[in-house]
Amino acid sequence: AQSVTQLGSHVSVSEGALVLLRCNYSSSVPPYLFWYVQYPNQGLQLLLKYTSAATLVKGINGFEAEFKKSETSFHLTKPSAHMSDAAEYFCAVEGADMRFGAGTRLTVKP
Amino acid sequence: GAVVSQHPSWVICKSGTSVKIECRSLDFQATTMFWYRQFPKQSLMLMATSNEGSKATYEQGVEKDKFLINHASLTLSTLTVTSAHPEDSSFYICSARPRTSGVYEQYFGPGTRLTVT
Repeated sequence: AQSVTQLGSHVSVSEGALVLLRCNYSSSVPPYLFWYVQYPNQGLQLLLKYTSAATLVKGINGFEAEFKKSETSFHLTKPSAHMSDAAEYFCAVEGADMRFGAGTRLTVKP
Repeated sequence: GAVVSQHPSWVICKSGTSVKIECRSLDFQATTMFWYRQFPKQSLMLMATSNEGSKATYEQGVEKDKFLINHASLTLSTLTVTSAHPEDSSFYICSARPRTSGVYEQYFGPGTRLTVT
């Protein structure tokens, strides 16, 4: 079965600092991987997705993620954090259905 | 494009009553819709998968008689929480997979906040 593990339930960065949210996957077949963002009391917004094309995927709001098969990772990064980036972030893997990681809460300090 | 709506966005009901939540794909046809439940500060947990015209497939531990799912058309799925109890209070999110999608992809609704008093 496919699954993802997010390392770190809470990440705190200063405004302007690098954002790094970690996600490792487990899959017996080439995975489809996703990052979503959720703001309080809202649904999920797709940030980016990996579908076996380019290993470096660029998404919205300046986020990007790199698929590394050797490390079974799909970490999310953003060079410079903005206050508006504070939210919950979910990594997910898609197969017959979608399975989510536990989520990482990003806090951005002024 | 690829918009999914949910109605209502929030609902409060009394213990023992039933409540229906609708999930609609507004600009595409969805062969498959998914229902998730999210408790505060937790991740989304898949409850069931529904395919148009067939019975829903429930995840282990989800009571199918309590959470009735109907996928009556290619654009509408409903989740009915029967005889709701306070422990059913949660954020319910649906998603829809386009019929023509060549890549596994889902579009998520905005969620429905259910509070059972």
